[in-house]
Amino acid sequence: GAVVSQHPSWVICKSGTSVKIECRSLDFQATTMFWYRQFPKQSLMLMATSNEGSKATYEQGVEKDKFLINHASLTLSTLTVTSAHPEDSSFYICSASDRGKNAGELFFGEGSRLTVL
Amino acid sequence: AQSVAQPEDQVNVAEGNPLTVKCTYSVSGNPYLFWYVQYPNRGLQFLLKYITGDNLVKGSYGFEAEFNKSQTSFHLKKPSALVSDSALYFCAVRDTAAGNKLTFGGGTRVLVKP
Repeated sequence: GAVVSQHPSWVICKSGTSVKIECRSLDFQATTMFWYRQFPKQSLMLMATSNEGSKATYEQGVEKDKFLINHASLTLSTLTVTSAHPEDSSFYICSASDRGKNAGELFFGEGSRLTVL
Repeated sequence: AQSVAQPEDQVNVAEGNPLTVKCTYSVSGNPYLFWYVQYPNRGLQFLLKYITGDNLVKGSYGFEAEFNKSQTSFHLKKPSALVSDSALYFCAVRDTAAGNKLTFGGGTRVLVKP
């Protein structure tokens, strides 16, 4: 099956620094990737839709200047949390849509837990 | 707008007993329905999906789900639960009229006791 890799799995940073999380589709091309945020014991909240070669589409209430998304290739999307604060601490999950044989199905990364001190 | 409801925050079941996790949905077009399972500090693992065809869908690890259009439901079931099935389960819907965006239910925690 299709594999999506996220890196890092865990990251701890100081308040005010920026953190980059990578999402890679390892064995397929992903024209679209999605970034979710999950608070403890809660569901996944869609933050933005990342399209290769174009600007991301952000969900209502998500600050695009705070959460920078770049989808420079068909296998890589990055989420940068800029000037992180403790309230940004969360579990971030990406998913990718396979344009090939599994078209329409979404595959999820293992998630990245961000802790801002 | 599409939405998904999982009415139970937690389901407790004894090992060996049947497991049911409920899900209802609302879409404007035709629904694509999914079930995912999440273990602590992990991403989501795909269990099964309904796109079209038979209303009863069989998936991974012995799970199955039944699509009921009249009741707009897609309940997840397993005939005999295992302790290892204890996890967080998410139902999700993709409205075919709304692109690839998935909307998730609130999640149901399943606890299978030995």
